[in-house]
Amino acid sequence: EVLLLESGGDLVPPGGSLRLSCAGSGFPFNLYAMIWVRQAPGKGLEWVSTISETGDASHYADSVRGRFSISRDNSKNSLYLQMNSLRAEDTAMYYCATSEFSQFLPPDNWGQGTLVTVSS
Amino acid sequence: QSVVTQPPSASGTPGQRVTISCSGSTLNIGGNLVYWYQQFPGTAPKLLIFRNDQRPSGVPDRFSGSKSGTSASLAISGLRSEDEADYYCASWDDRQGGLVVFGGGTKLTVL
Repeated sequence: EVLLLESGGDLVPPGGSLRLSCAGSGFPFNLYAMIWVRQAPGKGLEWVSTISETGDASHYADSVRGRFSISRDNSKNSLYLQMNSLRAEDTAMYYCATSEFSQFLPPDNWGQGTLVTVSS
Repeated sequence: QSVVTQPPSASGTPGQRVTISCSGSTLNIGGNLVYWYQQFPGTAPKLLIFRNDQRPSGVPDRFSGSKSGTSASLAISGLRSEDEADYYCASWDDRQGGLVVFGGGTKLTVL
């Protein structure tokens, strides 16, 4: 069974930084592309970023490009999202997800999420 | 404004068949695979349909997906009260180096 456990969500002031982590288990982590998706309170799903299986390619939403950085450590079965210059509009539940077949696909398995609140 | 459009709401009575549409363009749905998700309040989304019309194991066959041109649909037959949830479609989009696009979501109410 695919298990994804996010951590690192917190209350942070505008302009601050935060690093989210996602621990994967129950699947061959190094063979899956990984994705971050967020959902603002009461809003729909918004794709944030995707990283390839080896970590040599990544894609970002316009809303976070230049501020957020996705990375992974396959030796630790872990995915990360470094978030800098945070804004109020970054407040959301952040979900880690897998893409089993390709980095060019939507997510399949999802974690339970970690909450990021940007407020002074 | 999402580049993939869904109706904000849909409804049906128990036992009825309901369809939810997802409209896009040649850059996304028209040239790529469509996924569907079900989300209950306060919980993470769950994959319902992948690769246009494939169901993951454990998803009842009451749920089915289809795609034609730049549009896709999710059909739920034999509607049950526990199907009341938010439903999202998603696809890869080929613009700007590539991105995942989600529909705005459809709130399904079982009357």
